[in-house]
Amino acid sequence: DAMVIQNPRYQVTQFGKPVTLSCSQTLNHNVMYWYQQKSSQAPKLLFHYYDKDFNNEADTPDNFQSRRPNTSFCFLDIRSPGLGDAAMYLCATSPEAAGGTDTQYFGPGTRLTVL
Amino acid sequence: GQNIDQPTEMTATEGAIVQINCTYQTSGFNGLFWYQQHAGEAPTFLSYNVLDGLEEKGRFSSFLSRSKGYSYLLLKELQMKDSASYLCAVRDSNYQLIWGAGTKLIIKP
Repeated sequence: DAMVIQNPRYQVTQFGKPVTLSCSQTLNHNVMYWYQQKSSQAPKLLFHYYDKDFNNEADTPDNFQSRRPNTSFCFLDIRSPGLGDAAMYLCATSPEAAGGTDTQYFGPGTRLTVL
Repeated sequence: GQNIDQPTEMTATEGAIVQINCTYQTSGFNGLFWYQQHAGEAPTFLSYNVLDGLEEKGRFSSFLSRSKGYSYLLLKELQMKDSASYLCAVRDSNYQLIWGAGTKLIIKP
């Protein structure tokens, strides 16, 4: 089945220790998104790629970086995690950034714990 | 600023009907989405409205009034598995999704 896969599902890191979360998709979608979601809050868009074009949200901290080496894979790098970065990180894809019933398809998420 | 408002939590009884409301104020409008999110899981797509009126899909229906900046999600014949958070999201003039914080729906036997 075509899908969005995130690894690992659970990640524990230490304060200040860099961590990388990965996302892959078999949907061949052009657009990939990274969201941060804290308990009982709305997903917060960190950045998205339209193909190889990177779009950073204005309020995304510099501590968060992303790479998309090809259509299928996208990575979220947190350079120096703080306690406030503990959250669920959701990867999503969509065929195009605009128009129609252009739904976003989500991966299962990675829950990050910072000790 | 852009804003999506939904009730924080609702409780309903198995077999009953529940309506979850969403009001929005966004810069432009290019469609409204409802997603279901079970605890600890990713959101899954439920419905999409871009024109005024009711969209029905099985036990779930979604209504939109663009002039009022208002939508609701109607769930019929509630089942225990419907216990989840329901997120309203609006696509603005830049085709960005603006998300509500979600409504946690608790189903009681």
